[in-house]
This record gives sequence, C-alpha cells and structure tokens, in this order.
Amino acid sequence: AQTVTQSQPEMSVQEAETVTLSCTYDTSESDYYLFWYKQPPSRQMILVIRQEAYKQQNATENRFSVNFQKAAKSFSLKISDSQLGDAAMYFCAYKPGTYKYIFGTGTRLKVLA
Amino acid sequence: DAGVIQSPRHEVTEMGQEVTLRCKPISGHNSLFWYRQTMMRGLELLIYFNNNVPIDDSGMPEDRFSAKMPNASFSTLKIQPSEPRDSAVYFCASSLTGVDSGNTIYFGEGSWLTVV
Repeated sequence: AQTVTQSQPEMSVQEAETVTLSCTYDTSESDYYLFWYKQPPSRQMILVIRQEAYKQQNATENRFSVNFQKAAKSFSLKISDSQLGDAAMYFCAYKPGTYKYIFGTGTRLKVLA
Repeated sequence: DAGVIQSPRHEVTEMGQEVTLRCKPISGHNSLFWYRQTMMRGLELLIYFNNNVPIDDSGMPEDRFSAKMPNASFSTLKIQPSEPRDSAVYFCASSLTGVDSGNTIYFGEGSWLTVV
C-alpha cells in the first residue's frame, strides 16, 4: 500500500532558527510527485514546495528547501530563518501516476519568539 | 489568477437540513476533488472528477452525500439530510493532471460546516 508517514506530530523552533520536518513514503513506482503543504489556523491548504521524483536536484523556494532521498523514500522539509508566520500544520503529500494524492497526518510547527 | 473558489465559507445548519457546498475550480484544470477534514480522521478524499466525470466516489460516506460537476467550471457537494457528525471543513481542490502537466493540487479556502 502507498503510504506517507510524518513521524513528528509536533515540532518547535526558535524564531530565526532552522527546523527540519521529516516525511517518508512507501511506493514501488519510479515516477511520482512530492509536495509540502502548509495549513495555518485559517485552515487553507497552501502549497509550499513540490518535487518531481525524476529530478535529482532538491527543490528550493526562498527559505524552504527539501532533502529528497529517492532510494530512502525520504522527503524532508527544511525551513531556514523561521518566522512567526511559519507556525502551522505541515502536510507531506505524494502523488503517483494515478490521480490520487496521498497525504501524511501532518506535523504541527510552533515558532517561539 | 483566481484560485479555487468555494462557497459558503461558513455554514451552520440544523440536523436534517440540506446543505449544498459549491466550488469553482481553476480555469483549465481537468481534475476536481472534494475532501473532508476532521480532527479524528484527518484529510479524506470524498470524490474525484476528471473532465467532469466522477471517477472515484468510494470515499463518499453514505447515500446522504452526493456530488455533481455539470461543467468544467462548477461542482457541488450536497448533504441531505445533514447530521452532526458531518461537521467538518470541506475542501474543494483542482489540478491539471497528466504527462508533462504540473500535477500540483490547489485547494480552496474550505467550507466550514457545523450541523447542530
């Protein structure tokens, strides 16, 4: 079965520090997409970053970057220079060749002032 | 560019009443999804449309739930009759799926439903 695991229900980081959220997935496919979504208290799901499995280069979006380890089926999100506005639930998602997007259970990130 | 537009944003209704949630996907997207999010069950896929055709409705909880997509720019999710356990945030999402497509799923702001 294709699954996405976020093993950290909650994480805390000091403002301006760096934090890494972990995500692992189980798949037998070779071509797929991976995403990180942010869900602030407003509950809107906001795309943070995406990665195509066939690309070896790790995706980066400003302060957000990923460490994609295809062999290990790992897709962690690194947030640099954390800001108070980064506080939210973060969901890792995986999309194989089918239409289904498989979401993890989320990691709640707290940013301490 | 306009994102996925959902209405209403909030709805409070009494048990037994009919609820209709509406969604306008991003123009040009060929896939539309309805999700439900609760604390207990997380994010659940209710139904998936591709090119306006329902492909997978296995996540629809029961016959009280129905969804339609009469054209590429509009979809509804209806609950009749509503029950307190239907209280949740309902998300509509759309994407352009296929080879060489972005395959990124974009969510609306959600419809917060409370059934009392």
